[in-house]
Amino acid sequence: VQLQQSGPGLVKSSQTLSLTCAISGDSVSTNTVAWTWIRQSPSRGLEWLGRAYYRSKWRNDYAPSLKRRITISADTSKNQLSLHLTSVTPDDSAVYFCARRNYGGPNGLDVWGQGTTVTVSS
Amino acid sequence: QSALTQPPSASGSPGQSVTISCTGTTDDIGSYNYVAWYQQHPGKPPQLIIFDVTKRPSGVPDRFSGSKSGNTASLTVSGLQAEDEADYYCTSYTDSDTYVFGTGTKVSV
Repeated sequence: VQLQQSGPGLVKSSQTLSLTCAISGDSVSTNTVAWTWIRQSPSRGLEWLGRAYYRSKWRNDYAPSLKRRITISADTSKNQLSLHLTSVTPDDSAVYFCARRNYGGPNGLDVWGQGTTVTVSS
Repeated sequence: QSALTQPPSASGSPGQSVTISCTGTTDDIGSYNYVAWYQQHPGKPPQLIIFDVTKRPSGVPDRFSGSKSGNTASLTVSGLQAEDEADYYCTSYTDSDTYVFGTGTKVSV
């Protein structure tokens, strides 16, 4: 299983940060996994942002601090995951990772994308 | 949701053991056996080394072990090797149906 991230490395304040995570070797609709976004910055460390998973229908959970600004969605036709974070500020600058949580195997984030460094300019 | 508390640093000589604590609350570690630990080398994504408090994914050496007591989880690295020098992060499921990471511990060998 491999996760390939893509998206802009520079976003202006107040705009929307959008990243994608292309999945190979697994299906975004597999009902024993959850697809997760995490970010990492020197000031915040590792931060769990949210997840999308399919259990008869698509479900989401988001970090309470980001709930008003974040959307995580799956595109089954492209087998990929997306992250949208609106109204960004420089505080949202971080390395963003997508990852798989495998409930059918080791119950943790067992596969990670390569990370995307995003800088929010003021 | 506040981050789980880890010591900023820990160290040991080759062959020795080091134990890292991870303190949460009854909303996370204290209520669920869904604690995981990750190892991260510079410039790399984190790697899962412990899940469900005590279990190791295949391929992870048995030098790595996990435990939990109350609201605190611990990771022990026995027989320290040079390649164990890395950052380590704990994480737990929470009663908000979300996950929270620890503040991270830099292990020096």
